Amino acid sequence: EVQLLESGGGLVQPGGSLRLSCAASGFTFTYAMSWVRQAPGKGLEWVSSLAGTSGVAHYADSVKGRFTISRDNSKNMLFLQMNSLRAEDTAIYYCAKKGAYASGWSIYFDYWGQGSLVTVSS
Amino acid sequence: EIVLTQSPGTLSLSPGERATLSCRASQSVSSNHLAWYQQKPGQAPRLLIFDASSRATDIPDRFSGSGSGTDFTLTISRLEPEDLAVYYCQQYDTSPPYTFGQGTKLEIK
Repeated sequence: EVQLLESGGGLVQPGGSLRLSCAASGFTFTYAMSWVRQAPGKGLEWVSSLAGTSGVAHYADSVKGRFTISRDNSKNMLFLQMNSLRAEDTAIYYCAKKGAYASGWSIYFDYWGQGSLVTVSS
Repeated sequence: EIVLTQSPGTLSLSPGERATLSCRASQSVSSNHLAWYQQKPGQAPRLLIFDASSRATDIPDRFSGSGSGTDFTLTISRLEPEDLAVYYCQQYDTSPPYTFGQGTKLEIK
């Protein structure tokens, strides 16, 4: 059974930093992995994706230069380092796995974690 | 960036009825790379449909997807009370950014 478990969320002041983690199990951890966020009461917004082994990463314009996605394949872990946080970054952050039948960078998400809440406020 | 517009914003139907949800793209979505997700209150999104019409694992055949180019539809036949949720479409063209529609809220009377 595929499981994705996020951790590391919390309350942080504007301009601060936070690191999210996602522990993956139940599948071979060579798929591209992504972060998708959802502001309170709002829709879904793709944040970042990281290839399985090549190190190639993509970011939404809204986080480029502030967020860094990384992974440790030896520990089946995905990370999101978030710096220079803003109030508009307040959201539930979901870790999501690339769909099994997706190819290249045409990625849909077939499994999602339960999310980690990040609140940016003074 | 491809913008997805979903309609209606809210849909209120009775159990046993048929729901038709629309997702329109601002430009053609290549290879019908369009997915649908269901998000029940307080839960993470769940994949329903990928590649516009392929059902994901363990999704009942009451859920079906159709469409191509810029116009896509999610149909839920024979609504059940458990189908109460917000439904999102997502395009995954050849490369990021991936975009989602704003969602359709399905209410069960």
